[in-house]
Amino acid sequence: GEKVEQHESTLSVREGDSAVINCTYTDTASSYFPWYKQEAGKSLHFVIDIRSNVDRKQSQRLIVLLDKKAKRFSLHITATQPEDSAIYFCAASNRVGDNSKLIWGLGTSLVVNP
Amino acid sequence: AQTIHQWPVAEIKAVGSPLSLGCTIKGKSSPNLYWYWQATGGTLQQLFYSITVGQVESVVQLNLSASRPKDDQFILSTEKLLLSHSGFYLCAWGRISNERLFFGHGTKLSVL
Repeated sequence: GEKVEQHESTLSVREGDSAVINCTYTDTASSYFPWYKQEAGKSLHFVIDIRSNVDRKQSQRLIVLLDKKAKRFSLHITATQPEDSAIYFCAASNRVGDNSKLIWGLGTSLVVNP
Repeated sequence: AQTIHQWPVAEIKAVGSPLSLGCTIKGKSSPNLYWYWQATGGTLQQLFYSITVGQVESVVQLNLSASRPKDDQFILSTEKLLLSHSGFYLCAWGRISNERLFFGHGTKLSVL
């Protein structure tokens, strides 16, 4: 079946540095790529997404890059803060407007050290 | 504003005992509803989804079942718990024609 791989299971950075989390996908028809954040002991919430018609999207300190040729997308968190510490999940979907077909990565645990 | 409520917040249950977890969404009619299971260590697995009352699709069963008795309610249950059922259960909803999911606070289940 189709897969999404998250390459870093854990990532540790110093406060103020940038963090990059990389994901690759296998389904060439994938067109929607969201990222979700899960703080310790809490639920998931949406942070940012990108669609296949663009290759870059930014929301404040979060940047998502999409390389369709390499079937790779990445989350860049700039000027990291301790509150960025969490598990980040990437996902992919080949269905526009359909939230039932997300394929999830295994998560990356990001630790931002003060 | 839409709100999603899961109950209970946490459960400690014995192997072989029954289980019922609930989820209610307020402020949104006809949402898509989901049950996700998260093993210790973080892996997310979609278990069931429902697009309307009375209709539930199974993705991975894990000896669990789900029902949608009302438009705003989604129930996850089993008659006999296994040790492997331990984990974090997340209910989520999504709008039709939109990919984004909104998660509940989750239920932590420990099966002993």
